[in-house]
Amino acid sequence: ELKVEQNPLFLSMQEGKNYTIYCNYSTTSDRLYWYRQDPGKSLESLFVLLSNGAVKQEGRLMASLDTKARLSTLHITAAVHDLSATYFCAVVSNFGNEKLTFGTGTRLTIIP
Amino acid sequence: NAGVTQTPKFQVLKTGQSMTLQCAQDMNHEYMSWYRQDPGMGLRLIHYSVGAGITDQGEVPNGYNVSRSTTEDFPLRLLSAAPSQTSVYFCAVRGQGSMNTEAFFGQGTRLTVV
Repeated sequence: ELKVEQNPLFLSMQEGKNYTIYCNYSTTSDRLYWYRQDPGKSLESLFVLLSNGAVKQEGRLMASLDTKARLSTLHITAAVHDLSATYFCAVVSNFGNEKLTFGTGTRLTIIP
Repeated sequence: NAGVTQTPKFQVLKTGQSMTLQCAQDMNHEYMSWYRQDPGMGLRLIHYSVGAGITDQGEVPNGYNVSRSTTEDFPLRLLSAAPSQTSVYFCAVRGQGSMNTEAFFGQGTRLTVV
C-alpha cells in the first residue's frame, strides 16, 4: 500500500526567509502533485510533476521530483504572508490502480 | 474549480438518516474519486472510479456506497449516517494520459451528523 509522508507537519516562518517542505512516498511513482488549501476552501492545484528530475516554478514556489529517492520538495523563497496555507503532496502509484494518495499536509504560517 | 460541481455545500443529518452527495463534471474525464478530510489526517480516499460502470474501494469505504452509471456523475451515498461520518467531503476528477493528468477538486461538502 502506498504511503505518503510530509514533513514538517507545521511550519512557522518569518517573512523573507526560505524553507523547504519534503514529501516522501513508499512505492514507485512518476506522478506527483502539490496542492494548496486555504482554511474552509477546496484544494488548488500548484504543480504536477511527471518525470524524474522534473522542476517547476511559480512565483516564490518551486517543486522538484526525484523518483529514485521517492522524494519531492516544495521550496519557498523569500516567504510572504499570502503564502500562509496548508500544502499537500499527492502521489499516483505506477502499479495500475490510479489511486491518488495524499500526505497529511504541512500547515505553513508566515509571520511578519 | 474547473468543471467539478458538488452539492450540497452544507448538510446536517441525524444519526441513521441517509443522503446522497452529488458530484458532476463536464470535462469528460475518466477518473473520479471521493475523499473525506478530517483535522490532522489529510485527505483519505473513500471510493474511486476509473470509468463508467467501474468502481473500487479506497482507504475508508465502510458506510459509503458509490455508483458510476455515466461519465459525468459519481454520487456518494450514506445509507445510515453516523457521527463518525462528520467530515468535509471532496470529489476529485482526473483524466487519462500525461496531458490530462491534473486533478481538479469540487468545492466540498461539509457534513455534520448529530
